[in-house]
Amino acid sequence: GAVVSQHPSWVICKSGTSVKIECRSLDFQATTMFWYRQFPKQSLMLMATSNEGSKATYEQGVEKDKFLINHASLTLSTLTVTSAHPEDSSFYICSATGGRAMTDTQYFGPGTRLTVL
Amino acid sequence: RKEVEQDPGPFNVPEGATVAFNCTYSNSASQSFFWYRQDCRKEPKLLMSVYSSGNEDGRFTAQLNRASQYISLLIRDSKLSDSATYLCVVRDYSSASKIIFGSGTRLSIRP
Repeated sequence: GAVVSQHPSWVICKSGTSVKIECRSLDFQATTMFWYRQFPKQSLMLMATSNEGSKATYEQGVEKDKFLINHASLTLSTLTVTSAHPEDSSFYICSATGGRAMTDTQYFGPGTRLTVL
Repeated sequence: RKEVEQDPGPFNVPEGATVAFNCTYSNSASQSFFWYRQDCRKEPKLLMSVYSSGNEDGRFTAQLNRASQYISLLIRDSKLSDSATYLCVVRDYSSASKIIFGSGTRLSIRP
């Protein structure tokens, strides 16, 4: 099956620093990648949808200047949490699909657990 | 009303039991439906897609009822390894092409 990796798997940082999370599709070309955030005991919340070579589409309430998304190639998307604060501590998960069809299955990365002190 | 609603549970059933969950969605334009399972502190993994005609994969059966706008998941002969949170996922055809996750139903299988 399709494999998606994320790096790092966990990160602890000081308040005010920026953190970059990478999402890679290892054995397929991901034309669309999705970034989610999940707080404890809550469901996944879609943050943004990223198509290769174009700007990401952010969900309502998600600050594009705070959560910078770059999808420069068909196998890599990055999420940078700028000036992270303790309230940004969460589980960040990416997913990827191999096409733009509505029924394309999403393959999820293993997630990145961010803790901001 | 939430766009996708699930009973959070927890459902606590003995091994070997049959258990069923429902998930309701509010947008009648929704076209794609999935069940994912998520283990504690792990990423969601696709369990099965849900087709209009219903589909079965081993002990798991998924059904779609468009008239009442819900999907269901039935697990037969439950195993200890079935303990997880089951997420209902709905995708629609609007211009936003939104993917919406339900809040999940927690299932715990006891020996």
